[in-house]
Amino acid sequence: GENVEQHPSTLSVQEGDSAVIKCTYSDSASNYFPWYKQELGKRPQLIIDIRSNVGEKKDQRIAVTLNKTAKHFSLHITETQPEDSAVYFCAARPGGTSYGKLTFGQGTILTVHP
Amino acid sequence: DTEVTQTPKHLVMGMTNKKSLKCEQHMGHRAMYWYKQKAKKPPELMFVYSYEKLSINESVPSRFSPECPNSSLLNLHLHALQPEDSALYLCASSQSNWANGEQFFGPGTRLTVL
Repeated sequence: GENVEQHPSTLSVQEGDSAVIKCTYSDSASNYFPWYKQELGKRPQLIIDIRSNVGEKKDQRIAVTLNKTAKHFSLHITETQPEDSAVYFCAARPGGTSYGKLTFGQGTILTVHP
Repeated sequence: DTEVTQTPKHLVMGMTNKKSLKCEQHMGHRAMYWYKQKAKKPPELMFVYSYEKLSINESVPSRFSPECPNSSLLNLHLHALQPEDSALYLCASSQSNWANGEQFFGPGTRLTVL
């Protein structure tokens, strides 16, 4: 099955700095890659997603890049703010018959210091 | 209504009890999911329902029994659980399980098994 590796497991930055989180996946048939943010005690919420026919997508301070050849995708947050502090999960959706199944990375705890 | 709701928020049960978790969405989504999340870990898929039919069971022990009475409701019946089943149980829904699109998560039920 699909395997998603996520790095780093913790990331500490100063307010205003950029943060980058990287994920690799194993199934070359995976075609959908969402990123979720989960604040302490809250539900995971989608912040951005990318499909396999697109190399990059941006939404204000957040961008995601996808390299299908290398099977990795990254989350970039610019001008970080304390409210960006949370756990971030990448995920991949394999092709084939595993419809609906998201495989998550292990998560990155992002701390933005004021 | 763009929310997934779950009840109860918290549940404490003994190993011999029978209880149920409930999930509801009114977004017209035809795929619904149960995830289990342990502290500081990613959500782990348990079941996927598509058009009220079970399409994925991730080899979940039979003490967890899902039910989808209609397109808006998803239940998880619990019986003879073990202390290691204590976790946050998240419900999610999406438009369908074959189209790549956002999975909307509910706030979860925090389950403690004594």
